[in-house]
Amino acid sequence: QSVLTQPPSVSGAPGQRVTIACTGSSSNIGAGHDVHWYQKLPGTAPKLLIYGSSNRPSGVPDRFSGSKSGTSASLAITGLQAEDEADYYCQAYDSRVSVNWVFGGGTKLTVL
Amino acid sequence: EVQLLESGGGLVQPGGSLRLSCAASGFTFSNYAMSWVRQAPGKGLEWVSTISGYTGNTYYADSVRGRFTISRDNSKNTLFLQLNGLRAEDTAVYYCAKFRGSNGYQSYYFDSWGQGTLVTVSS
Repeated sequence: QSVLTQPPSVSGAPGQRVTIACTGSSSNIGAGHDVHWYQKLPGTAPKLLIYGSSNRPSGVPDRFSGSKSGTSASLAITGLQAEDEADYYCQAYDSRVSVNWVFGGGTKLTVL
Repeated sequence: EVQLLESGGGLVQPGGSLRLSCAASGFTFSNYAMSWVRQAPGKGLEWVSTISGYTGNTYYADSVRGRFTISRDNSKNTLFLQLNGLRAEDTAVYYCAKFRGSNGYQSYYFDSWGQGTLVTVSS
């Protein structure tokens, strides 16, 4: 069971907007720690999508956006495209015990 | 362009050892912390270990502490992970990742990743 909780799956039609939630606790997101998001296609390396909760690295389309509030964060994807079908992971620092960077369990996005 | 190339994976029996390597290029290697992250078959991503750039301070997930050892050779731009006492649950693709942040380790994230190397622990 992951420290950060994500829905196992979400889906949307091309052109639609979807959001993926990442729920944490007072020892990670709720402690004010940044949330970061990654996209992973089967057989490929993960790719950084969002860092510092809402910042996009160079080259990531502005269709991807991130936000954080309280003990949760979310990734929004607008103008859904077939190529967006992938697994998405949130990540944050957890300060409960020793140094520990944690990931959510991952969310499979299906483009209908 | 940042490039990270892992090697050293393979099939090993339970209790055995492996040494993974990650050759880095395209950035000043010694300036950055580096990490290993793994993904077991059908599972999600799991942080394994991190080493700082200059001081060589090391950090481990509870699941590998005492069995795995992370190290680096800044003169050769190479990151290592020594895996000892391997268990079936260590079977995974191991990714090398460049690790950075803006405000202490609490803000750190993995901004570049290698393609991974598969470690299979089985008799």
